[in-house]
Amino acid sequence: SYVLTQPTSVSVAPGQTARITCGANQIGSNSVHWYQQKTGQAPVLVIFYDSDRPSGIPERFSGSNSGNTATLTISRVEAGDEADYYCQVWDSSTDHVVFGGGTKLTVL
Amino acid sequence: QVQLVESGGGVVQPGRSLRLSCVASGFTFGGYGMHWVRQAPGKGLEWVAVMSFDGSYKKYGDSVKGRFTISRDNSQNTLYLQMSSLKVEDTALYYCAKDAHSTGSSSSSRLTNWGQGTLVAVSS
Repeated sequence: SYVLTQPTSVSVAPGQTARITCGANQIGSNSVHWYQQKTGQAPVLVIFYDSDRPSGIPERFSGSNSGNTATLTISRVEAGDEADYYCQVWDSSTDHVVFGGGTKLTVL
Repeated sequence: QVQLVESGGGVVQPGRSLRLSCVASGFTFGGYGMHWVRQAPGKGLEWVAVMSFDGSYKKYGDSVKGRFTISRDNSQNTLYLQMSSLKVEDTALYYCAKDAHSTGSSSSSRLTNWGQGTLVAVSS
Protein backbone atom coordinates (compact mmCIF):
# COMPACT_ATOMS: atom_id res chain seq x y z
CA SER A 1 0.00 0.00 0.00
CA TYR A 2 1.02 3.61 -0.57
CA VAL A 3 2.57 5.18 2.53
CA LEU A 4 2.84 8.92 3.09
CA THR A 5 5.51 9.94 5.60
CA GLN A 6 5.24 13.18 7.55
CA PRO A 7 7.36 14.50 10.41
CA THR A 8 5.63 14.10 13.74
CA SER A 9 6.12 17.70 14.71
CA VAL A 10 7.34 21.06 13.43
CA SER A 11 7.94 24.12 15.57
CA VAL A 12 8.25 27.69 14.37
CA ALA A 13 8.25 31.18 15.87
CA PRO A 14 5.49 33.62 14.99
CA GLY A 15 6.20 35.49 11.78
CA GLN A 16 8.54 32.82 10.49
CA THR A 17 7.94 30.24 7.75
CA ALA A 18 6.82 26.68 8.48
CA ARG A 19 7.44 23.88 6.04
CA ILE A 20 5.73 20.53 6.47
CA THR A 21 6.81 17.69 4.23
CA CYS A 22 5.01 14.62 2.94
CA GLY A 23 7.22 11.93 1.47
CA ALA A 24 6.51 8.94 -0.73
CA ASN A 25 7.97 7.23 -3.77
CA GLN A 26 7.30 9.39 -6.81
CA ILE A 27 4.70 11.44 -4.97
CA GLY A 28 5.32 14.13 -7.57
CA SER A 29 3.28 12.01 -9.96
CA ASN A 30 0.23 12.30 -7.69
CA SER A 31 -2.04 15.17 -6.77
CA VAL A 32 -1.51 16.02 -3.11
CA HIS A 33 -4.07 17.65 -0.86
CA TRP A 34 -3.52 19.13 2.60
CA TYR A 35 -5.84 19.45 5.59
CA GLN A 36 -5.61 21.50 8.74
CA GLN A 37 -7.17 20.15 11.93
CA LYS A 38 -7.29 22.36 14.98
CA THR A 39 -7.85 20.83 18.40
CA GLY A 40 -11.39 19.57 18.81
CA GLN A 41 -12.41 20.49 15.27
CA ALA A 42 -13.00 18.68 12.00
CA PRO A 43 -10.31 18.83 9.30
CA VAL A 44 -10.38 21.66 6.78
CA LEU A 45 -8.98 21.47 3.26
CA VAL A 46 -6.27 24.11 2.90
CA ILE A 47 -4.43 23.06 -0.29
CA PHE A 48 -5.57 20.90 -3.21
CA TYR A 49 -3.90 19.81 -6.44
CA ASP A 50 -0.49 20.35 -4.82
CA SER A 51 -0.71 24.13 -4.67
CA ASP A 52 -4.26 25.46 -5.13
CA ARG A 53 -6.06 27.18 -2.28
CA PRO A 54 -9.80 26.84 -1.61
CA SER A 55 -11.65 30.11 -1.20
CA GLY A 56 -11.19 31.55 2.25
CA ILE A 57 -7.74 30.09 2.82
CA PRO A 58 -5.11 32.81 3.33
CA GLU A 59 -2.43 33.32 0.71
CA ARG A 60 0.10 32.53 3.43
CA PHE A 61 -0.66 28.87 2.73
CA SER A 62 1.06 27.40 -0.30
CA GLY A 63 2.17 24.02 -1.56
CA SER A 64 4.58 22.30 -3.89
CA ASN A 65 5.15 18.75 -5.06
CA SER A 66 8.09 17.24 -6.91
CA GLY A 67 10.02 13.99 -6.95
CA ASN A 68 9.54 12.16 -3.68
CA THR A 69 8.40 15.10 -1.55
CA ALA A 70 5.37 17.35 -1.29
CA THR A 71 5.61 20.41 0.92
CA LEU A 72 3.06 22.60 2.65
CA THR A 73 4.49 26.05 3.35
CA ILE A 74 2.94 28.49 5.79
CA SER A 75 4.43 31.97 5.62
CA ARG A 76 4.27 34.56 8.38
CA VAL A 77 3.02 31.97 10.83
CA GLU A 78 0.43 33.08 13.34
CA ALA A 79 -0.62 31.57 16.64
CA GLY A 80 -3.90 30.57 15.00
CA ASP A 81 -2.06 28.29 12.59
CA GLU A 82 -1.21 25.90 15.39
CA ALA A 83 -2.83 22.62 14.37
CA ASP A 84 -2.29 19.15 12.99
CA TYR A 85 -1.69 19.01 9.25
CA TYR A 86 -2.34 15.98 7.04
CA CYS A 87 -1.37 15.28 3.45
CA GLN A 88 -3.59 13.08 1.29
CA VAL A 89 -3.44 11.38 -2.08
CA TRP A 90 -5.56 8.95 -4.06
CA ASP A 91 -3.77 5.64 -4.49
CA SER A 92 -4.77 4.49 -7.96
CA SER A 93 -3.31 1.02 -7.44
CA THR A 94 -5.81 0.27 -4.67
CA ASP A 95 -8.48 2.92 -5.28
CA HIS A 96 -8.00 4.10 -1.73
CA VAL A 97 -7.73 7.54 -0.17
CA VAL A 98 -4.46 7.66 1.75
CA PHE A 99 -3.58 10.09 4.53
CA GLY A 100 -0.18 10.86 5.94
CA GLY A 101 0.35 10.32 9.63
CA GLY A 102 -0.04 14.00 10.41
CA THR A 103 2.29 16.75 11.62
CA LYS A 104 1.68 18.82 14.72
CA LEU A 105 2.62 22.43 14.08
CA THR A 106 3.60 24.28 17.24
CA VAL A 107 3.91 28.06 17.22
CA LEU A 108 6.50 28.97 19.81
CA GLN B 1 -23.61 26.51 3.07
CA VAL B 2 -22.62 22.85 3.11
CA GLN B 3 -23.60 21.05 6.28
CA LEU B 4 -22.93 17.45 7.21
CA VAL B 5 -24.37 16.12 10.45
CA GLU B 6 -23.41 12.67 11.67
CA SER B 7 -25.33 10.64 14.23
CA GLY B 8 -25.70 7.11 15.49
CA GLY B 9 -22.53 6.77 17.52
CA GLY B 10 -22.42 5.32 21.00
CA VAL B 11 -20.95 2.64 23.22
CA VAL B 12 -21.23 -0.90 21.88
CA GLN B 13 -19.80 -4.26 22.85
CA PRO B 14 -17.27 -6.06 20.67
CA GLY B 15 -18.92 -8.18 18.01
CA ARG B 16 -22.08 -6.07 17.89
CA SER B 17 -23.33 -3.79 15.13
CA LEU B 18 -24.03 -0.09 14.77
CA ARG B 19 -25.32 2.13 11.96
CA LEU B 20 -24.10 5.66 11.47
CA SER B 21 -25.98 8.31 9.52
CA CYS B 22 -24.88 11.56 7.92
CA VAL B 23 -27.50 14.07 6.82
CA ALA B 24 -26.35 16.53 4.19
CA SER B 25 -27.65 19.96 3.28
CA GLY B 26 -26.57 23.04 1.37
CA PHE B 27 -25.57 21.23 -1.81
CA THR B 28 -26.92 18.72 -4.32
CA PHE B 29 -26.17 15.58 -2.32
CA GLY B 30 -26.95 13.24 -5.20
CA GLY B 31 -24.22 14.81 -7.32
CA TYR B 32 -21.19 14.03 -5.19
CA GLY B 33 -19.14 11.15 -3.93
CA MET B 34 -19.12 10.76 -0.17
CA HIS B 35 -16.59 9.34 2.25
CA TRP B 36 -16.34 8.08 5.80
CA VAL B 37 -13.11 8.85 7.66
CA ARG B 38 -12.33 7.95 11.25
CA GLN B 39 -9.93 9.17 13.89
CA ALA B 40 -9.03 7.08 16.92
CA PRO B 41 -8.45 9.05 20.13
CA GLY B 42 -5.17 10.94 19.86
CA LYS B 43 -4.39 9.41 16.48
CA GLY B 44 -4.39 10.51 12.84
CA LEU B 45 -7.00 10.30 10.11
CA GLU B 46 -7.88 6.92 8.65
CA TRP B 47 -9.96 6.63 5.50
CA VAL B 48 -12.82 4.14 5.88
CA ALA B 49 -14.94 4.06 2.74
CA VAL B 50 -16.20 5.94 -0.32
CA MET B 51 -19.37 5.77 -2.37
CA SER B 52 -20.00 7.39 -5.73
CA PHE B 53 -22.85 9.84 -6.32
CA ASP B 54 -25.25 7.16 -7.51
CA GLY B 55 -24.11 4.31 -5.30
CA SER B 56 -22.72 2.32 -8.20
CA TYR B 57 -19.16 2.41 -6.89
CA LYS B 58 -17.95 1.76 -3.38
CA LYS B 59 -14.59 0.99 -1.87
CA TYR B 60 -13.36 0.19 1.63
CA GLY B 61 -10.22 0.54 3.66
CA ASP B 62 -8.42 -2.72 4.42
CA SER B 63 -9.16 -2.62 8.15
CA VAL B 64 -12.96 -2.52 7.66
CA LYS B 65 -13.47 -4.43 4.42
CA GLY B 66 -15.98 -7.23 4.87
CA ARG B 67 -17.33 -5.77 8.12
CA PHE B 68 -18.55 -2.28 7.18
CA THR B 69 -21.03 -1.32 4.45
CA ILE B 70 -21.45 2.16 3.03
CA SER B 71 -24.75 3.18 1.46
CA ARG B 72 -26.75 6.29 0.62
CA ASP B 73 -30.30 7.46 0.11
CA ASN B 74 -30.23 10.42 -2.25
CA SER B 75 -33.95 11.06 -1.74
CA GLN B 76 -33.22 11.65 1.94
CA ASN B 77 -29.82 13.35 1.47
CA THR B 78 -28.33 10.77 3.80
CA LEU B 79 -25.16 8.70 3.87
CA TYR B 80 -24.91 5.58 6.01
CA LEU B 81 -22.23 3.35 7.45
CA GLN B 82 -23.37 -0.05 8.68
CA MET B 83 -20.72 -1.42 11.00
CA SER B 84 -20.73 -5.10 11.96
CA SER B 85 -18.46 -7.38 13.97
CA LEU B 86 -17.13 -4.35 15.75
CA LYS B 87 -13.71 -4.53 17.38
CA VAL B 88 -12.13 -2.50 20.15
CA GLU B 89 -9.82 -0.98 17.54
CA ASP B 90 -12.83 0.48 15.71
CA THR B 91 -13.19 2.98 18.55
CA ALA B 92 -12.95 6.41 16.92
CA LEU B 93 -14.64 9.62 15.91
CA TYR B 94 -16.30 8.94 12.58
CA TYR B 95 -16.56 11.78 10.08
CA CYS B 96 -18.52 11.90 6.88
CA ALA B 97 -17.02 14.06 4.18
CA LYS B 98 -18.01 15.33 0.74
CA ASP B 99 -15.79 14.70 -2.24
CA ALA B 100 -15.04 17.36 -4.79
CA HIS B 101 -16.38 15.15 -7.58
CA SER B 102 -19.20 12.78 -8.36
CA THR B 103 -17.25 9.54 -8.31
CA GLY B 104 -15.16 10.07 -5.22
CA SER B 105 -12.60 7.79 -6.77
CA SER B 106 -10.05 9.56 -8.90
CA SER B 107 -6.63 11.10 -8.68
CA SER B 108 -8.30 14.41 -7.94
CA SER B 109 -10.37 12.97 -5.10
CA ARG B 110 -10.29 15.30 -2.13
CA LEU B 111 -12.57 15.95 0.83
CA THR B 112 -13.91 19.46 0.58
CA ASN B 113 -16.33 19.49 3.51
CA TRP B 114 -16.48 17.52 6.74
CA GLY B 115 -19.03 16.98 9.46
CA GLN B 116 -18.22 17.29 13.14
CA GLY B 117 -18.17 13.54 13.64
CA THR B 118 -19.94 10.96 15.79
CA LEU B 119 -18.10 8.99 18.43
CA VAL B 120 -18.09 5.21 18.44
CA ALA B 121 -16.69 3.42 21.47
CA VAL B 122 -16.33 -0.35 21.35
CA SER B 123 -15.86 -1.78 24.79
CA SER B 124 -16.92 -4.73 26.88
